[in-house]
Amino acid sequence: QQQVKQSPQSLIVQKGGISIINCAYENTAFDYFPWYQQFPGKGPALLIAIRPDVSEKKEGRFTISFNKSAKQFSLHIMDSQPGDSATYFCAASKRGGATNKLIFGTGTLLAVQP
Amino acid sequence: GAGVSQSPRYKVAKRGQDVALRCDPISGHVSLFWYQQALGQGPEFLTYFQNEAQLDKSGLPSDRFFAERPEGSVSTLKIQRTQQEDSAVYLCASSLEGFGGMNTEAFFGQGTRLTVV
Repeated sequence: QQQVKQSPQSLIVQKGGISIINCAYENTAFDYFPWYQQFPGKGPALLIAIRPDVSEKKEGRFTISFNKSAKQFSLHIMDSQPGDSATYFCAASKRGGATNKLIFGTGTLLAVQP
Repeated sequence: GAGVSQSPRYKVAKRGQDVALRCDPISGHVSLFWYQQALGQGPEFLTYFQNEAQLDKSGLPSDRFFAERPEGSVSTLKIQRTQQEDSAVYLCASSLEGFGGMNTEAFFGQGTRLTVV
């Protein structure tokens, strides 16, 4: 079963524009929501993460917006650059349990055109 | 090393062959995860170790898949009698804390791309 739904599947943005990727989750027990960036041939790398006690977290050009009631969260990339071109995955987990396994979305392939 | 190291980077196996994939986690990391990433998909959880104990193997797709971490550091994922549907990238991740821990940022290796022909 797919517990984390991600959209869009792919995204093309002009340099300097805003990239927005959305995710929705089902399990209300999730309490940790990271975003990972993956370049071809590389493993996923943590970009930014949020916990449900805050509605927004910003790190540089990257912002997570979190809507607990709607069970949705999104990644905003401001001033998108060609170097941001990669696949982005949202994920969710329940921390402090027997495992902290991550449930990943299906990914968004972002292309930033110069 | 500074990060999670996986070997080999690429593996081509004939259908029916057994394979072994190795993961060297970050030194001192208690937790170790294996994920399977099919082409164009997100990683899917396979199994979890806290030190040498395999606490969760609910994601292993069949009894042909076996993982171990005998000394609580290096881990091996073994796939017996490989099938074409096993073709994927196998990712290993480690994190500092274990059971009940909150500092559990997962660091991923580059993965092993397995192709079964």
